[in-house]
Amino acid sequence: GAGVSQSPSNKVTEKGKDVELRCDPISGHTALYWYRQSLGQGLEFLIYFQGNSAPDKSGLPSDRFSAERTGGSVSTLTIQRTQQEDSAVYLCASSFGLAGANEQFFGPGTRLTVL
Amino acid sequence: QQPVQSPQAVILREGEDAVINCSSSKALYSVHWYRQKHGEAPIFLMILLKGGEQKGHDKISASFNEKKQQSSLYLTASQLSYSGTYFCGTADDKIIFGKGTRLHILP
Repeated sequence: GAGVSQSPSNKVTEKGKDVELRCDPISGHTALYWYRQSLGQGLEFLIYFQGNSAPDKSGLPSDRFSAERTGGSVSTLTIQRTQQEDSAVYLCASSFGLAGANEQFFGPGTRLTVL
Repeated sequence: QQPVQSPQAVILREGEDAVINCSSSKALYSVHWYRQKHGEAPIFLMILLKGGEQKGHDKISASFNEKKQQSSLYLTASQLSYSGTYFCGTADDKIIFGKGTRLHILP
């Protein structure tokens, strides 16, 4: 059984460009979470999905950030018009159910660098 | 509201014990604990739920005081492999993580 996978592992982009980050959760996991971790900082919640729906987008930093999930599986986090402050590691996690009673399995992350 | 972790950092010698605390101003449904080593993804340690249920690794010990909205993680007879950053998170449908406690074990 494969774990959570994310791609790309590293992304370097120029300020103002759009980027897409992909997350493949563990098969059968209905809940999927996106977090951002800046250098030496904690895990900042961005958004979560239950199935294909996103009940809570409250952590998205601005309207440049969006995410979708299709087929109850793969999720894509899109950042438009990237800024230098978007540089961070973006982590995805999945779980059998919602976070309250279920452990989360994290992917290896995508390290985004905005020049 | 982000939970508050203390201490921010701990240095121990192998074999010593440590306690990491986590407190929240918000009523808690459950508390999660994860450990992250440098350059790696966080790894699940434990969930403590209201009502006393716990899920996690047998070798990890933790407490959850629902009334005080506090949780503590107990690391006994520490090993070099325990080094890393420990995060607590308060959870309902999502987890809000604290800023982490850096633990360094010296041989």
